[in-house]
Amino acid sequence: DTGVSQDPRHKITKRGQNVTFRCDPISEHNRLYWYRQTLGQGPEFLTYFQNEAQLEKSRLLSDRFSAERPKGSFSTLEIQRTEQGDSAMYLCASSLVEREKQYFGPGTRLTVT
Amino acid sequence: SQQGEEDPQALSIQEGENATMNCSYKTSINNLQWYRQNSGRGLVHLILIRSNEREKHSGRLRVTLDTSKKSSSLLITASRAADTASYFCATENTGTASKLTFGTGTRLQVTL
Repeated sequence: DTGVSQDPRHKITKRGQNVTFRCDPISEHNRLYWYRQTLGQGPEFLTYFQNEAQLEKSRLLSDRFSAERPKGSFSTLEIQRTEQGDSAMYLCASSLVEREKQYFGPGTRLTVT
Repeated sequence: SQQGEEDPQALSIQEGENATMNCSYKTSINNLQWYRQNSGRGLVHLILIRSNEREKHSGRLRVTLDTSKKSSSLLITASRAADTASYFCATENTGTASKLTFGTGTRLQVTL
């Protein structure tokens, strides 16, 4: 169990640019989740995969956001035409089965200037 | 959206004292989980309590759940400076297939 990893850990970008984040879950976990956390708040759910299928998306995930998990292993989260309001910590988590604890990665902190 | 609120928002205690945090939520749940987050880092799972359970222990942690009041509490006994962190409750709501809905968190400061 090497834990959930995320890359990059920090990203600074200018408004209007596209950014892509990567998440590598724990290897045997088939469930993968993305959350967003703004300063002083708890994480908010964005989307969830079971294997390669994206099963649920939050209304927070506007059409500028897209997430993939092409082979049921790692996942990417892309934000197009970034806005200052996208500045947040993006957290990835994975789990083996539903209704059990989720293991979180260290997060990617995005700053949009 | 946030599920509910945690109380207090901030708590400062001395090492050795007990810390109690409360969490309220709004809808029916499958389970409730508590996580710890050190400043600017990812979340660490502490304990999970299912909707049919009323109390659970893990080391210095004690969690209670009252589904009739839609509330939970986390007790940390004999606190240490290393317990300084933000603590979040998160619910897996009925019919929402695994996603977690987090509270607003309690910032705990344990001083020497």
